[in-house]
Amino acid sequence: AQSVTQLDSQVPVFEEAPVELRCNYSSSVSVYLFWYVQYPNQGLQLLLKYLSGSTLVESINGFEAEFNKSQTSFHLRKPSVHISDTAEYFCAVMPNNAGNMLTFGGGTRLMVKP
Amino acid sequence: DAGVTQSPTHLIKTRGQQVTLRCSPISGHKSVSWYQQVLGQGPQFIFQYYEKEERGRGNFPDRFSARQFPNYSSELNVNALLLGDSALYLCASSASVAPGANVLTFGAGSRLTVL
Repeated sequence: AQSVTQLDSQVPVFEEAPVELRCNYSSSVSVYLFWYVQYPNQGLQLLLKYLSGSTLVESINGFEAEFNKSQTSFHLRKPSVHISDTAEYFCAVMPNNAGNMLTFGGGTRLMVKP
Repeated sequence: DAGVTQSPTHLIKTRGQQVTLRCSPISGHKSVSWYQQVLGQGPQFIFQYYEKEERGRGNFPDRFSARQFPNYSSELNVNALLLGDSALYLCASSASVAPGANVLTFGAGSRLTVL
């Protein structure tokens, strides 16, 4: 079984400041890791994923996440946030040996203030 | 190209009633999964179907059931609704169920309110 813990339920930050959203996971098997973003009244959109290879993965809109196997973490970072980044962010894991079901964390609400 | 489409977008039911939610996957995708997202929480896995067969089931009571049709669309049924069933129900599709590269694409969801 897998579990995902997002350590901060809310993260307020000023526009153009850096931000880190923390994610830790627990699993008895190796996993793939994902970050999804949910804007108000919308479904989930894939932000980035780690499947294999380089432990640092990037999205097209400036976010990056680093897989740390020893600390079982997959923290999401952005060096400079915009108002439009205000949303709910979900970290998720998928076991690499059976099916493509996702286990999600509880989410982190990123609130970017002007 | 159309993404994952879900209907209805919003609905209100009373306790004890039954509800059916519908999902059409992305063209060419053969797998549909259902997730429940209670307000303020992360989504929880309910069911996965692939080629019309159930491939996985989460920790939900038997009041929840689903099926997949020959055109790969899917329905989620919930019987004897409880207040706690109020949630956003998300449908996701993928080309297959192999882990990793078969990333799930989510629809906008059906928001169910049980009074």
